[in-house]
Amino acid sequence: AAGVIQSPRHLIKEKRETATLKCYPIPRHDTVYWYQQGPGQDPQFLISFYEKMQSDKGSIPDRFSAQQFSDYHSELNMSSLELGDSALYFCASSLVRSGTTDTQYFGPGTRLTVL
Amino acid sequence: RKEVEQDPGPFNVPEGATVAFNCTYSNSASQSFFWYRQDCRKEPKLLMSVYSSGNEDGRFTAQLNRASQYISLLIRDSKLSDSATYLCVVNWGGGSNYKLTFGKGTLLTVNP
Repeated sequence: AAGVIQSPRHLIKEKRETATLKCYPIPRHDTVYWYQQGPGQDPQFLISFYEKMQSDKGSIPDRFSAQQFSDYHSELNMSSLELGDSALYFCASSLVRSGTTDTQYFGPGTRLTVL
Repeated sequence: RKEVEQDPGPFNVPEGATVAFNCTYSNSASQSFFWYRQDCRKEPKLLMSVYSSGNEDGRFTAQLNRASQYISLLIRDSKLSDSATYLCVVNWGGGSNYKLTFGKGTLLTVNP
C-alpha cells in the first residue's frame, strides 16, 4: 500500500538559510500534519491542513510557514534557520470524516541538520 | 505537568517475558488513544488504537480507563523484534483538529 512520501530525506543547511520540506500524503487522505522531533524528544505538533485549509497550529515558529496544495501535497517552508531547528521533521496524513476517529500515518521523515 | 505521561523506562527484559507500559493523560476531553512504536531514527508506526472495551492484537493488549485517564499496553512473549520505543499518544482534537500529543516514550530492549 502507498505510504506517506517525504522529500528530501536528509538536508544540510547553514544558519540563516532557508529550507523547504515536501510531503505527499497517502492517496485520498485529506489531512496533513507536520511534527518536529528533536534529539531524544517526542514528536511535537507544528501545524495541520484539512482540505487545503490550515486546521490547527501548534508550536510552529513564526519563521516557518506551510501550505497544502490542490493535489493535497504539503510543503513546510523554514527561513532564517537556527541551530535549534536541527531535528527530524515528520509529515503524517489521515482521512478525516465526520463522526469517525482518524488514524495518522507517518512518513519516513526529513532529517534536517543546521550547521 | 506534561499532557501525556509515560513510564520513563528503559525496560530491559529477556525474550519471552511479559512487559507492561502505563500512561496517563491530563485532558479529560481526550477523544482517541493510540500506541505507536518508533525504531531508532525512524518514523512512529501505529501499533494499535486503544478502546474503552480493551482490545487485543496477537501478543499485544491495550486497555483504556477513561475515569482514571489511564492507558496501558501489555506485551506477552516478548520477541527481539519488539525492541523499540513505545509512544503513548492521545488525540483531543475535534472536527479536523486531530493533532496528536505524544508521551516521551518508553524504550524497550528485549535481550536474547
